[in-house]
Amino acid sequence: AQKITQTQPGMFVQEKEAVTLDCTYDTSDPSYGLFWYKQPSSGEMIFLIYQGSYDQQNATEGRYSLNFQKARKSANLVISASQLGDSAMYFCAMRETGFQKLVFGTGTRLLVSP
Amino acid sequence: ETGVTQSPTHLIKTRGQQVTLRCSSQSGHNTVSWYQQALGQGPQFIFQYYREEENGRGNFPPRFSGLQFPNYSSELNVNALELDDSALYLCASSSQGMLAGYNEQFFGPGTRLTVL
Repeated sequence: AQKITQTQPGMFVQEKEAVTLDCTYDTSDPSYGLFWYKQPSSGEMIFLIYQGSYDQQNATEGRYSLNFQKARKSANLVISASQLGDSAMYFCAMRETGFQKLVFGTGTRLLVSP
Repeated sequence: ETGVTQSPTHLIKTRGQQVTLRCSSQSGHNTVSWYQQALGQGPQFIFQYYREEENGRGNFPPRFSGLQFPNYSSELNVNALELDDSALYLCASSSQGMLAGYNEQFFGPGTRLTVL
């Protein structure tokens, strides 16, 4: 069965610094996709970045990059140059090819201080 | 381009009642997924609808049911409400037929259901 583990309940970072949010996953399927979502207090899940299991390079989207280590089954999110607006819950999720559902971790609350 | 919308925003019901939540998918999307997010947890997959048919279901009892309409909007119905049904209910729309493994789901703002 698929499983996503996020071991950091909360993280603190100062504005303009970089932060890494950890995510490990478990699956027996060789083909899968990994996602990161941001959830502000309003509740909406905002898509940040995607990494496919066969992608050779780590995904990047602006200030977001995904540190994909397939052998370790980890997919950490790196946010560079943190901004106050980055304060939110962050969820790692996985989808196996052919399956329609996203499996989410328990999330990490990020607080960015001035 | 209109995003995913959900109604109502908040809802309060009592145990044993029935509730209907609504979701309008993003323009051009033919698939709607529903998730339940309990306080302090990640979202849990309830089910998905594709072209008006249920296309995958999570570990939820039959009192959770749904519909998808020809315009791809969707309803989530929950019968015999229990206290543990109190949660944020998220709807996500996507478009089938994209690259295998990458099927970005766009989420709505959610409906917060409280069962007393």
